[in-house]
Amino acid sequence: EPEVTQTPSHQVTQMGQEVILRCVPISNHLYFYWYRQILGQKVEFLVSFYNNEISEKSEIFDDQFSVERPDGSNFTLKIRSTKLEDSAMYFCASSAQRDRYTGELFFGEGSRLTVL
Amino acid sequence: LAKTTQPISMDSYEGQEVNITCSHNNIATNDYITWYQQFPSQGPRFIIQGYKTKVTNEVASLFIPADRKSSTLSLPRVSLSDTAVYYCLVVARIKAAGNKLTFGGGTRVLVKP
Repeated sequence: EPEVTQTPSHQVTQMGQEVILRCVPISNHLYFYWYRQILGQKVEFLVSFYNNEISEKSEIFDDQFSVERPDGSNFTLKIRSTKLEDSAMYFCASSAQRDRYTGELFFGEGSRLTVL
Repeated sequence: LAKTTQPISMDSYEGQEVNITCSHNNIATNDYITWYQQFPSQGPRFIIQGYKTKVTNEVASLFIPADRKSSTLSLPRVSLSDTAVYYCLVVARIKAAGNKLTFGGGTRVLVKP
């Protein structure tokens, strides 16, 4: 079964450093997302991406965050200058054209970010 | 978007049926009801979605009454591996690209031997 893959599975970084989290969505999917989950809290929407541009973003997704689809297969989330409160599990997700009106997203296993 | 309310936790035993009811009183005409499952340290996994009446797949059944103000996820004959958090979401049918999901706290289901 096709799956969304994410790297790294765990990253530890110092506050103020830049971090790039990488995702390979399912190959024929057109819609891409990043969510995050702080330990013990809810899964929160960060951003959705379609046709090479951001289609929606949350208040969390401020100027420190950016997304990119650099080569047609990868989808990346960059945090420019990490803060302690950025420590969380970051989930990439993708969905197919047919599911754009429904709720079927395919999530990756997540990248755990720890900011020290 | 309609707010959802579901139990914080439920305990069950292997082999039993687990029913989780979610209320969504302000659901809009074009909204779908969607359920996800999440194991610890893993991403959410889509289980089932429906609009009205009953939907069944190989994993679960979803019962939606005529007024659509609530829905019940039914997990038949659970096993220990069904221990997870189950999220009920109302998903707006939108014309914009993609679909943003709003997760609540979910129901933590613990299946005991």
